[in-house]
Amino acid sequence: DVVMTQSPLSLPVTLGQPASISCRSSQSLVHSNGNTYLNWFQQRPGQSPRRLIFKVSNRDSGVPDSFSGSGSGTDFTLKISRVEAEDVGVYYCMQGTHWPPAFGQGTKLEIK
Amino acid sequence: QVQLVQSGAEVKKPGASVKVSCKASGYTFTSYGFTWVRQAPGQGLEWMGWISAYNGNTNYAQNLQGRVTMTTDTSTSTVYMELRSLTSDDTAVYYCARYWDWNDGFDPWGQGTLVTVSS
Repeated sequence: DVVMTQSPLSLPVTLGQPASISCRSSQSLVHSNGNTYLNWFQQRPGQSPRRLIFKVSNRDSGVPDSFSGSGSGTDFTLKISRVEAEDVGVYYCMQGTHWPPAFGQGTKLEIK
Repeated sequence: QVQLVQSGAEVKKPGASVKVSCKASGYTFTSYGFTWVRQAPGQGLEWMGWISAYNGNTNYAQNLQGRVTMTTDTSTSTVYMELRSLTSDDTAVYYCARYWDWNDGFDPWGQGTLVTVSS
């Protein structure tokens, strides 16, 4: 099975400053159809997860453009250009290229 | 708007079974699939399996094979997840979520159902 490894696991950030979360997979996430199925989810405190980004860099409807995804192969990054209070929560990457789908351990973003 | 509403919290004894429901609204039920993901207290997300609302085809995580069953009722736009032979390790919040193409992940998610297994 593919293993997803996120870093850091804890991310204290000052309001208005950028944040970056890394996600690495144990195998390439390039599908035989040419797509790369790396997705990002946000889970705010006490809430259900919500998808932010699919296929590496495609933002879901309603997701602020302060969020961006990038990467290829086995290395991926979620960036927040300016952290706001509502961004506090746990962020998970998830691979959808290989069965079974797998989540990273999560990165807890908090305000410094 | 698309909404997934799950059944309420459950408390079960070890060895018992639990059946959680997830009622969908706001779209054509059979056009999407559903997945179930659980989250143990203070832990991350664990994918459990999925079911096509179109034809009922299922695919379960290997570690839950034989203990989990996912079904749909198209007449009520409801998906069910039953987990048997419960142990304390099954204590978790269980989420249903919709997918169009499972490769792209799942969205939206239900509000979650806390299942507590305790003697």
